[in-house]
Amino acid sequence: NAGVTQTPKFQVLKTGQSMTLQCAQDMNHNSMYWYRQDPGMGLRLIYYSASEGTTDKGEVPNGYNVSRLNKREFSLRLESAAPSQTSVYFCASRESFYSNQPQHFGDGTRLSIL
Amino acid sequence: GENVEQHPSTLSVQEGDSAVIKCTYSDSASNYFPWYKQELGKGPQLIIDIRSNVGEKKDQRIAVTLNKTAKHFSLHITETQPEDSAVYFCAATLNNAGNMLTFGGGTRLMVKP
Repeated sequence: NAGVTQTPKFQVLKTGQSMTLQCAQDMNHNSMYWYRQDPGMGLRLIYYSASEGTTDKGEVPNGYNVSRLNKREFSLRLESAAPSQTSVYFCASRESFYSNQPQHFGDGTRLSIL
Repeated sequence: GENVEQHPSTLSVQEGDSAVIKCTYSDSASNYFPWYKQELGKGPQLIIDIRSNVGEKKDQRIAVTLNKTAKHFSLHITETQPEDSAVYFCAATLNNAGNMLTFGGGTRLMVKP
């Protein structure tokens, strides 16, 4: 059971470089989410997609863009990476945007910006 | 919006002892409270959740209690084992459009053999 798969697992970038983080889920879920995790701050929502074809900003969207490519895939793009974007990024999915059900998380992408 | 505070940030217990992690939330309209366990190098995994229409839920060695009046909820782990060592996150969600999760800052639990 793959669940939520994120690639790559690790990445080091230089300031100003661009990068796309990939996420795919095989649970036929409608909604998908991108979070960042920083020490002592829990997880903060960057962007989400309530359903295929829609995306919306979360709590910390600045410096990021997203694409919901199809029902399975939701990518996160850093157009011009900054050191403040050094973090661990998690993708999650949930069966329905409107249901109060658990979100399922991938294992993360650890991103360092030099 | 919702705000979730989690305490303590680190907790060290002896194997076999109990561990308790506490969270408070700010919005009385929150109605769903999941707990996640995150092991090193992994993503958060749901271990138990509770909805606002119940006060307590148990699953083997894990239990969660909810006090809606005081707006706090707690995770209780009994008979702790070394494999319980991880970071635990609480979260709260409002029953509005999107049911967005707001996470606490996490608790690093260390169980000493």
